[in-house]
Amino acid sequence: AQSVTQPDIHITVSEGASLELRCNYSYGATPYLFWYVQSPGQGLQLLLKYFSGDTLVQGIKGFEAEFKRSQSSFNLRKPSVHWSDAAEYFCAVGPWGTYKYIFGTGTRLKVLA
Amino acid sequence: DAGVIQSPRHEVTEMGQEVTLRCKPISGHNSLFWYRQTMMRGLELLIYFNNNVPIDDSGMPEDRFSAKMPNASFSTLKIQPSEPRDSAVYFCASNSGQGQETQYFGPGTRLLVL
Repeated sequence: AQSVTQPDIHITVSEGASLELRCNYSYGATPYLFWYVQSPGQGLQLLLKYFSGDTLVQGIKGFEAEFKRSQSSFNLRKPSVHWSDAAEYFCAVGPWGTYKYIFGTGTRLKVLA
Repeated sequence: DAGVIQSPRHEVTEMGQEVTLRCKPISGHNSLFWYRQTMMRGLELLIYFNNNVPIDDSGMPEDRFSAKMPNASFSTLKIQPSEPRDSAVYFCASNSGQGQETQYFGPGTRLLVL
């Protein structure tokens, strides 16, 4: 069955520290992978997406993600976290050419000043 | 661009009442999606429209839920009668519907059914 797992429900980091949010997926075909961010009271905003090509993908707000097929992972990283990055982050997977994304349950990021 | 617009942003109602949520997709987008977000189930796709036609409503939880898209710039999600377990955040999203396009989400409607 298709699924997305975000093993960390909450993560707390200090401002300026590096960040890695984990995402593992189970998918039969080549997946189309996304990371979205949801700030409090807001909708989801796309950070980055991957389908093919370079396995290291750059997104907005200084985020990047690396696709590792052998590990079925698509982890999100940022070298230096800012207080404004405090939000909930969702990983999603979907088949190419369709609309049916499967979302993970999210990781809530807290940033300490 | 104004983005996806949803109204109301917050709705509190009593069990048994009818609730109508509204969505205006981004101009030019021909695909529209309704999602529900709860702590227990995360983000779930309820229904997908393409060119105003419902393509996939397999995620609609039961007959109490209905959705319409009378034109390219407006959609509604109706719950009648509402129940406390319908309390959730409901998101509308849209995209151009061409291939694997990014879905753009609205700010959501937070529904509380007492």
